[in-house]
Amino acid sequence: QKEVEQNSGPLSVPEGAIASLNCTYSDRVSQSFFWYRQYSGKSPELIMSIYSNGDKEDGRFTAQLNKASQYVSLLIRDSQPSDSATYLCAVSSGANNLFFGTGTRLTVIP
Amino acid sequence: EPEVTQTPSHQVTQMGQEVILRCVPISNHLYFYWYRQILGQKVEFLVSFYNNEISEKSEIFDDQFSVERPDGSNFTLKIRSTKLEDSAMYFCASSEALHTVSADTQYFGPGTRLTVL
Repeated sequence: QKEVEQNSGPLSVPEGAIASLNCTYSDRVSQSFFWYRQYSGKSPELIMSIYSNGDKEDGRFTAQLNKASQYVSLLIRDSQPSDSATYLCAVSSGANNLFFGTGTRLTVIP
Repeated sequence: EPEVTQTPSHQVTQMGQEVILRCVPISNHLYFYWYRQILGQKVEFLVSFYNNEISEKSEIFDDQFSVERPDGSNFTLKIRSTKLEDSAMYFCASSEALHTVSADTQYFGPGTRLTVL
């Protein structure tokens, strides 16, 4: 059974702070890793993808991947109230089917 | 910007009825997927589809479910005899390719909320 684990939160940070979201996965052959943002009642919206060990930055977002530890994280710098959402970690391998975590609910307090 | 579209946005049906959920994937994408999300739970993979056949399916995707690409643009999910537990958001997704950096990214449609009474 392929598992993707996330802390469900809620995680609350003040506006302007750094939010740190973590994810672990069980399948060692996983190849592609994604962070999606999901607002309540809406569909998952891609934030970032990462494929190799290390950091990948895109604007205020930085994804980090450590395949040896089976760990992927997302940092959100200068958090804004509009960042308040549920963040989904998704992992794929082989057939490209995505396995999602339960998501971490982030609240950014103005 | 190209996007995945889904219709209807909300479908209400009686238990035992058949429903068809429709999706139009992004036009140059070759791989199509259905996922579902029961309220308050995680997004779950149902089925993937490529070259007019199912590539992979999950345990959820039993004989009550079927998928079809009836023409060059639509991709449908049929549930033959709906059950109460089929009530969920159903998301269609598409990707350009497999196992290729960035091209395997899946883009999701807005979803269809299915309510089975």
